[in-house]
Amino acid sequence: QSALTQPPSASGSPGQSVTISCTGTSSDVGGYNYVSWYQQHPGTAPKLMIYDVSKRPSGVPDRFSGSKSGNTASLTVSGLQAEDEADYYCSSYAGSNNLVFGGGTKLTVL
Amino acid sequence: EVQLVESGGGLVQPGGSLRLSCAASGFTFSSYWLSWVRQAPGKGLEWVANIKQDGSETYYVASVKGRFTISRDNAKNSLYLQMNSLRAEDTAVYYCARHLRFCSGGNCYSAIYYFDYWGQGTLVTVSS
Repeated sequence: QSALTQPPSASGSPGQSVTISCTGTSSDVGGYNYVSWYQQHPGTAPKLMIYDVSKRPSGVPDRFSGSKSGNTASLTVSGLQAEDEADYYCSSYAGSNNLVFGGGTKLTVL
Repeated sequence: EVQLVESGGGLVQPGGSLRLSCAASGFTFSSYWLSWVRQAPGKGLEWVANIKQDGSETYYVASVKGRFTISRDNAKNSLYLQMNSLRAEDTAVYYCARHLRFCSGGNCYSAIYYFDYWGQGTLVTVSS
């Protein structure tokens, strides 16, 4: 069982918005603003999409946004495009030099 | 271009050992924290271990402490993971990953909570 809880799947039609949740505890997500999100297409390495809860690395479209409330972080993908179909993983610092990930959410673009 | 290339994976019996390597290029290797992150077949990601730029600090996930050792050779631009007493649950693709680093006005600091580059991974299978 993963340390952070994500829904196994999410879906939306092209152009729509979809939000993926990531629930932890006060010892990880709720305790630090060090939440990140990674996108992984099949057979490829993960790609950093969001860090520090809501910041985007250079080159990541502004259709991707992040937020946090209490022990739950969220990734919102607006204006869904076919290439957004992938697995998404959240991650959080959990203290004592420990990093934890979520179990992943498979995003399907209908 | 930043490149991280893992090698050394394979099939090993329970209780056996394996040493993974990660060859880096395209960046100043000695300036970055590095990690190993694994992904069991069909499962999520799991951070395994990381190491400071000069190798003076290392950290591990609880499940591998005492069995795995992360190390680096800055002269060879290489990262390693020595895995001993392997178990079936260690079966996974092992990724080498570089931690994010920010520089501004000549000052740089490492964001050791995030990874900006990953290798393609090497598969470790522990089975009899």
